[in-house]
Amino acid sequence: AQTVTQSQPEMSVQEAETVTLSCTYDTSENNYYLFWYKQPPSRQMILVIRQEAYKQQNATENRFSVNFQKAAKSFSLKISDSQLGDTAMYFCAFMVPGVGSGAGSYQLTFGKGTKLSVIP
Amino acid sequence: ETGVTQSPTHLIKTRGQQVTLRCSSQSGHNTVSWYQQALGQGPQFIFQYYREEENGRGNFPPRFSGLQFPNYSSELNVNALELDDSALYLCASSSPGQGMSEQFFGPGTRLTVL
Repeated sequence: AQTVTQSQPEMSVQEAETVTLSCTYDTSENNYYLFWYKQPPSRQMILVIRQEAYKQQNATENRFSVNFQKAAKSFSLKISDSQLGDTAMYFCAFMVPGVGSGAGSYQLTFGKGTKLSVIP
Repeated sequence: ETGVTQSPTHLIKTRGQQVTLRCSSQSGHNTVSWYQQALGQGPQFIFQYYREEENGRGNFPPRFSGLQFPNYSSELNVNALELDDSALYLCASSSPGQGMSEQFFGPGTRLTVL
């Protein structure tokens, strides 16, 4: 079974500073995908960034980037130039395509989340 | 493009009752997944529907059941409600045929069981 661990329940960062959220996962699969989702207080889950395990290059999306260490099974999220709108719960998630009771199942396994507060 | 919608927004039920939650998938998506998010936790996968068939199920009892309709909208039904069923229920739609499947989430239904 796949597991995802986020060891930082809460973090805070000053506006315009950089913060890194940690995530580790456990799997015996070789082909999988990793995601960071953001859930603001309004509660709608939004995809922040994704990484394919077969790609060595770390994904980046504007101010968001990841440090993917496949051997260490680590997938951290770096947020640069933090903004007040970044305040939210951040969830690390893992997906093995096609794994499940039905062919083609694409189920996400989530960590428990990190609550990030950006301080003015 | 219409995003994922869910109804109702909030719901209060008593133990032992039955509840039906609804989800409309994003335009062009043929797969719907349901997740349960307890307070302070990450979402837990309940099941997924692809072309009206269940296509994967998490560790949830049979009293959690679902349907997908020809227009790819979906329902989650929970029978014999228990206090621990109180949670935010999230629906996500996707289209696995379009490469890696990014799941688009709805705003959720907050269920309270008294």
